[in-house]
Amino acid sequence: EAGVTQSPTHLIKTRGQQATLRCSPISGHTSVYWYQQALGLGLQFLLWYDEGEERNRGNFPPRFSGRQFPNYSSELNVNALELEDSALYLCASSFNRGKAFFGQGTRLTVV
Amino acid sequence: QQQVKQSPQSLIVQKGGISIINCAYENTAFDYFPWYQQFPGKGPALLIAIRPDVSEKKEGRFTISFNKSAKQFSLHIMDSQPGDSATYFCAASDDYKLSFGAGTTVTVRA
Repeated sequence: EAGVTQSPTHLIKTRGQQATLRCSPISGHTSVYWYQQALGLGLQFLLWYDEGEERNRGNFPPRFSGRQFPNYSSELNVNALELEDSALYLCASSFNRGKAFFGQGTRLTVV
Repeated sequence: QQQVKQSPQSLIVQKGGISIINCAYENTAFDYFPWYQQFPGKGPALLIAIRPDVSEKKEGRFTISFNKSAKQFSLHIMDSQPGDSATYFCAASDDYKLSFGAGTTVTVRA
């Protein structure tokens, strides 16, 4: 069974540009969570999608947004990129608030 | 505000020794407590998890101890091996999200 897959693996953007990160959950999982892990820091909660709806968002500015598609895959968009947005962005999926499994992450570098 | 407090920030243990990582929480709505292991450049991997109706759970060399009244839980890694060198995160879940501790970097010396 395939795990959580994220794409791209690496992404380099210029300050002010937009970045789009994608996540495919484990088959059967309806919830997708997004986390930001900046260098040397822990996992900061960004967004939670369940059954196509945004259920909760962390303490991040509105330029961080996303959506969940009918097939439960998800997209994270970061607008007006800033240098401090450089981080590993992790997606996790779960079913019915059960065990959450993480993907390998997308390393976003803003230059 | 860190909803889950984790300590120590780092620890070094000799091969064969015991690694102990502690976490504390305040939100009594948390009802699921997983531990994740993360290697550099990789996503966190679910290691072991416990629910508050159980005081201890053991899987191989990894044991979670849970103290509901003290709102604390800990991870014990028995017979630590060099391959256990990684960053460990405790977490707690309620209806809204999975909140993580700040992480503990464990180094196992051969």
